[in-house]
Order: sequence, then C-alpha cells, then structure tokens
Amino acid sequence: AQSVTQLGSHVSVSEGALVLLRCNYSSSVPPYLFWYVQYPNQGLQLLLKYTTGATLVKGINGFEAEFKKSETSFHLTKPSAHMSDAAEYFCAVSDNTNAGKSTFGDGTTLTVKP
Amino acid sequence: DAGVTQSPTHLIKTRGQQVTLRCSPKSGHDTVSWYQQALGQGPQFIFQYYEEEERQRGNFPDRFSGHQFPNYSSELNVNALLLGDSALYLCASSLLSAGSTGELFFGEGSRLTVL
Repeated sequence: AQSVTQLGSHVSVSEGALVLLRCNYSSSVPPYLFWYVQYPNQGLQLLLKYTTGATLVKGINGFEAEFKKSETSFHLTKPSAHMSDAAEYFCAVSDNTNAGKSTFGDGTTLTVKP
Repeated sequence: DAGVTQSPTHLIKTRGQQVTLRCSPKSGHDTVSWYQQALGQGPQFIFQYYEEEERQRGNFPDRFSGHQFPNYSSELNVNALLLGDSALYLCASSLLSAGSTGELFFGEGSRLTVL
C-alpha cells in the first residue's frame, strides 16, 4: 500500500519569498512521485515528476523538488513566490509500473501575499 | 492537440438517481483513470480502464461502474446516488506502454451535487 502525507494544509508566503511545500510518502516499491497544481474550478496540472535517475527534478514555473529516499520525502520548492503561484498543490505517489493509479495527499493551499 | 475533455461540467441529481459522466482522453493516450475529489480533499482513485477492461479498482462500492469504448473514451456510472457522492469527478488519461512513466493528464472535472 502507498500513502502520502502533506504537512500543512495551508501555507502563506509573501511575494518574492521562498516557497516550501512538504510531502512525505510511504511505498513498498520504488516510487514514482509527482507534484500537481490545481487552480480554482480546474483539473490538476503536472508540475514535475520523479521516476528514476537524478534526485533533484525541475518542473514548470520555476518549481523543483528533491527525492530523498532516506527521509521518504519529496518536498516542493520555489526560490521566489509570485502572485500567480497561489493555488492548491498535491503530492502523489504511484508504483513504478502504472501512474494511472496514483495515491494523492490531501493538498496544500498556497497563499501569496503582496 | 485536444487535451482531456469531460462532460457535463456541472450537474445536480437527487438521492437514488443514477448519473453518467463522460471523458475523452488526450490524443494518443490509451488509458483512462477516474478519480473522486471531495471538497477539501485530494483525488481518490476509483478505477482505471485499458483496452476496454477495468484493470485496477480503488476502494469504491460496485455502485460505481465504468466503460471504455474502442476510441478510448470512457464513461463513469454511479447508481443509487447518496449525498456523500457529491464531489468533483476527475478523468485522467495516460499512456500505458513500456518505458512510459504514465504521467496523468487531467480534465477539468464534472462537479456532481446530490440533493
């Protein structure tokens, strides 16, 4: 079985500040890890993914995440927040054969203050 | 290149009724997965269709059923609706082939309200 825990259901940062959204996972097999973003009344959009290889992955809109196996973590960061980053962010894990069956965390709502 | 499209976008039903939601996958994709997203929660996996068969299923009762057509489009059916079925239903498509990481492409969802 797999599970995802997103620490902090709400995170608020000032524009230009560092964004850090935390994700810890549990998986009995080597995981595929994903971060998705959801804007109001829209579906989810993939930000970045880790499958194999380099543990630091870069995604769209300046986001990146680092896979740390020893910590079972996959935290999402962005050096400088922009107002347009305000949205809900979901971390997800799947086994290494079929991302179609992904397990999602409960999400973190990011607020960016001017 | 059309992405994932879902219909209807919004609908209201009453308890006990039945509902059918539809999804067309992204061009070139062969797999459709359905998720239920309740308010304030992350998406929960319902089931996945590939080659017109249900391949995997999450922890949902058999009131939830589906179908995949030869053109890869899919339907989600829910019978005997309960108030707790009110949610955003998301369709996601992917490519299930050797070497594919199978990342999901989501539609904008169908918001179901059960009264």
